[in-house]
Amino acid sequence: TQLLEQSPQFLSIQEGENLTVYCNSSSVFSSLQWYRQEPGEGPVLLVTVVTGGEVKKLKRLTFQFGDARKDSSLHITAAQTGDTGLYLCASRNTGGFKTIFGAGTRLFVKA
Amino acid sequence: ETGVTQTPRHLVMGMTNKKSLKCEQHLGHNAMYWYKQSAKKPLELMFVYSLEERVENNSVPSRFSPECPNSSHLFLHLHTLQPEDSALYLCASSLRTGGGTDTQYFGPGTRLTVL
Repeated sequence: TQLLEQSPQFLSIQEGENLTVYCNSSSVFSSLQWYRQEPGEGPVLLVTVVTGGEVKKLKRLTFQFGDARKDSSLHITAAQTGDTGLYLCASRNTGGFKTIFGAGTRLFVKA
Repeated sequence: ETGVTQTPRHLVMGMTNKKSLKCEQHLGHNAMYWYKQSAKKPLELMFVYSLEERVENNSVPSRFSPECPNSSHLFLHLHTLQPEDSALYLCASSLRTGGGTDTQYFGPGTRLTVL
């Protein structure tokens, strides 16, 4: 069974700082998704990466998929209080329904 | 109407009660999912329905019983639960019936507390 390990588990930073969170596995991902979950809500998809070495940008968020497709990172530039939330990575087997989630990184951005 | 709705948002029940969670999606999707989210643990997939047929049952105890009467509605019937079943129960839907890039849309969840 593929496991996704996320680090750090918890991160508290000041507004304006940069940060990076990581998602790692011992297995190769067919694709990887990043979600953000705000308190009292369900996860919302941010991005899907499918190609090794791929980099995707979403405003101040930069997502990178490792060349070997075993790891991924999410970098946030100049964090804002609205970035506060639980960041989850997830992977799903090709053609299947079962999505595996990491335990998440809980980010708190202080004003 | 927002994409995926869940009712109730909060539920407190005793171990001998019977209750049901409801999920409705207004996105025209073919697949629906139940997940359990406990503190400090990854989301756990419980059940998947594709075109109203159950295609995944992830070793869930029989005290949880899903029902999918049509492609827009999904229920989770609960009976004789244990305190360790207290968690956030999330419903999701997706357009395609599986696939690595299929996007799941989540509801806000039902916060369940079992006394």
